[in-house]
Amino acid sequence: DVKVTQSSRYLVKRTGEKVFLECVQDMDHENMFWYRQDPGLGLRLIYFSYDVKMKEKGDIPEGYSVSREKKERFSLILESASTNQTSMYLCASSNWRASGNTIYFGEGSWLTVV
Amino acid sequence: GENVGLHLPTLSVQEGDNSIINCAYSNSASDYFIWYKQESGKGPQFIIDIRSNMDKRQGQRVTVLLNKTVKHLSLQIAATQPGDSAVYFCAEIRLNYGGSQGNLIFGKGTKLSVKP
Repeated sequence: DVKVTQSSRYLVKRTGEKVFLECVQDMDHENMFWYRQDPGLGLRLIYFSYDVKMKEKGDIPEGYSVSREKKERFSLILESASTNQTSMYLCASSNWRASGNTIYFGEGSWLTVV
Repeated sequence: GENVGLHLPTLSVQEGDNSIINCAYSNSASDYFIWYKQESGKGPQFIIDIRSNMDKRQGQRVTVLLNKTVKHLSLQIAATQPGDSAVYFCAEIRLNYGGSQGNLIFGKGTKLSVKP
C-alpha cells in the first residue's frame, strides 16, 4: 500500500514562530503536494513539486515555502506563523501515467497558531 | 452536489439504503476523475477513479457514473452502512505536457450521514 506519512499530527505554535511540516512518501512518486483544508473552503493547493529541487506555486502560496531535497520528502515551511494559518495541512503524492492516476494523501497535520 | 457557500451539502440516508452523491465538474478536457472519502480528523482516502473515455465504473459496493454531456459525476454507494458516514468529494485531473504533469481540481464535498 502507498504510504504518505506526515510527521506531526497536532501542533500548537506561537505567532511569529517558524514552522516545519514534514511529509514522506514510500512509493517513489514524482509529484508531491501540500494542501490546506478549511471548513467550507475545501482543499486549496499551496505548493507542489514535480521533481527533486523543483517547486511550483499553487493557489495560495503566500506565507509559505517548500523544500524538496530528496524525492521521498517534501517539507512545508511557515516562515513566520500567523493565526490565519491555523488549519489542517494535507500532504499528497502521485505519479501521472496514462494507465491510471490517483493522488494519495497523508493523515493530515492540524496546526493551531496562537 | 457542489458547494456554493460556506456550508457543505448534506445527504442523510437510512442504513441499508443506496446513496447517490453528485458532483459537477468544470472542464470538459479533464482526463480522470476520482472520488475520495474523508472521515472526521483523517486524510482523504481514495475510493474509485474513472477515465474520461468511460461512463461507468464499478468497485466494491460503489459505482461511479460519468456524464460528459452535462459534466456531471456521481458516486453510488449500495447498501449504505454507518461506516460510510464521511465527507465525499470529487477531483478532476487534467493531464498536460504529454501526460507527465497534471492539474487537480477538487470539489468541496458532500457530507453523508447514515442513520442506523
